[in-house]
Amino acid sequence: DAGVIQSPRHEVTEMGQEVTLRCKPISGHNSLFWYRQTMMRGLELLIYFNNNVPIDDSGMPEDRFSAKMPNASFSTLKIQPSEPRDSAVYFCASTDFGGSPSYEQYFGPGTRLTVT
Amino acid sequence: LAKTTQPISMDSYEGQEVNITCSHNNIATNDYITWYQQFPSQGPRFIIQGYKTKVTNEVASLFIPADRKSSTLSLPRVSLSDTAVYYCLVGVNGGATNKLIFGTGTLLAVQP
Repeated sequence: DAGVIQSPRHEVTEMGQEVTLRCKPISGHNSLFWYRQTMMRGLELLIYFNNNVPIDDSGMPEDRFSAKMPNASFSTLKIQPSEPRDSAVYFCASTDFGGSPSYEQYFGPGTRLTVT
Repeated sequence: LAKTTQPISMDSYEGQEVNITCSHNNIATNDYITWYQQFPSQGPRFIIQGYKTKVTNEVASLFIPADRKSSTLSLPRVSLSDTAVYYCLVGVNGGATNKLIFGTGTLLAVQP
């Protein structure tokens, strides 16, 4: 298996622009997680899906952020409009849920987002 | 939400055993404790997972006391390639669903 695939790997955009990050989880995994990592706040869970249904989106910073999982093999995280404080590395992870969201997760390589 | 705290950094030498502790005093009763390793410009990588007492795999051991309010990752005989940031991940009580909280991370620096 190729592991969790994220695209793009790097994104540079101007404030106010829409940004879409993409994730393909490992085949057969039924849970998908979006995280954000910054120096100031560390690793934060934004949202996670189980069987394509959002379970906990309490970590989504504000209405400018939205996430979708239209099928078991694809998810997007959208920021509209983007702001400089959104600059971070965004990770996608997937797991075979196993009854617990903290079960072993497999992380993608991340997308480094820079908003100028 | 209660914080999940770790020492900021630790230093060690090759061949030594390293123990990294994570404090998670609001851990959910029904959730695992998981540890990850992260190298620069990479995503976190799973190391080990446990629920209680002791778990051992080919790379590490995990010690969890009875109250589960902390956990200790033990790396036997570290090498230079173990230099990385180590994170614990736990579910904490958050109402309808447990909230996943990463620890603050511990930078382990292994010297020759």
